Amino acid sequence: DAGITQSPRHKVTETGTPVTLRCHQTENHRYMYWYRQDPGHGLRLIHYSYGVKDTDKGEVSDGYSVSRSKTEDFLLTLESATSSQTSVYFCAIRQDREGSPLHFGNGTRLTVT
Amino acid sequence: AQKVTQAQTEISVVEKEDVTLDCVYETRDTTYYLFWYKQPPSGELVFLIRRNSFDEQNEISGRYSWNFQKSTSSFNFTITASQVVDSAVYFCALSEAQYGGSQGNLIFGKGTKLSVKP
Repeated sequence: DAGITQSPRHKVTETGTPVTLRCHQTENHRYMYWYRQDPGHGLRLIHYSYGVKDTDKGEVSDGYSVSRSKTEDFLLTLESATSSQTSVYFCAIRQDREGSPLHFGNGTRLTVT
Repeated sequence: AQKVTQAQTEISVVEKEDVTLDCVYETRDTTYYLFWYKQPPSGELVFLIRRNSFDEQNEISGRYSWNFQKSTSSFNFTITASQVVDSAVYFCALSEAQYGGSQGNLIFGKGTKLSVKP
């Protein structure tokens, strides 16, 4: 198994509160990703990182920010959670080799009430 | 722009039937990569296979086989003699050349839910 851990695994929060999800890897991979999975939409890229302090937006980045201060950790923050951000969030890592597959964490189920 | 279409939202088969999951992609790059992932009911995403755009050979792994056809922009997945354990959501995904600006990000189809009944 790829060494990737997401925390927490489940979280319930109220609208308007900030939330931070953590992704931790032990593989020393350069690339890290945050996706969200929603019924009828598949997996959509939120943000990704191609190195420490190097991040960029994905398809559905509004309302989210990320930070990567260390190779092993990639944080996803919802500044002010909304009900539309209720979703399952997956972190993924990838080797720095063209065409390498993504390897995913087990996901975080976030419910915003 | 990249796009992956999995037109089959749900498929239901009886055990031992063969089943094909369709995947059609769009890209303007000549170098790209195609992937299949499996998401069983437990929720994790499992990588199954990767093909690059220069290799159109079909691949077989046990009961699984993949048919890549550039002429029709398709990368279909067949399960032979399906089993209950094959029940899952299957995702097809595409990435373009890493150093062409895409950073190797994967674009996923919406997935096909396969139910295999005993």
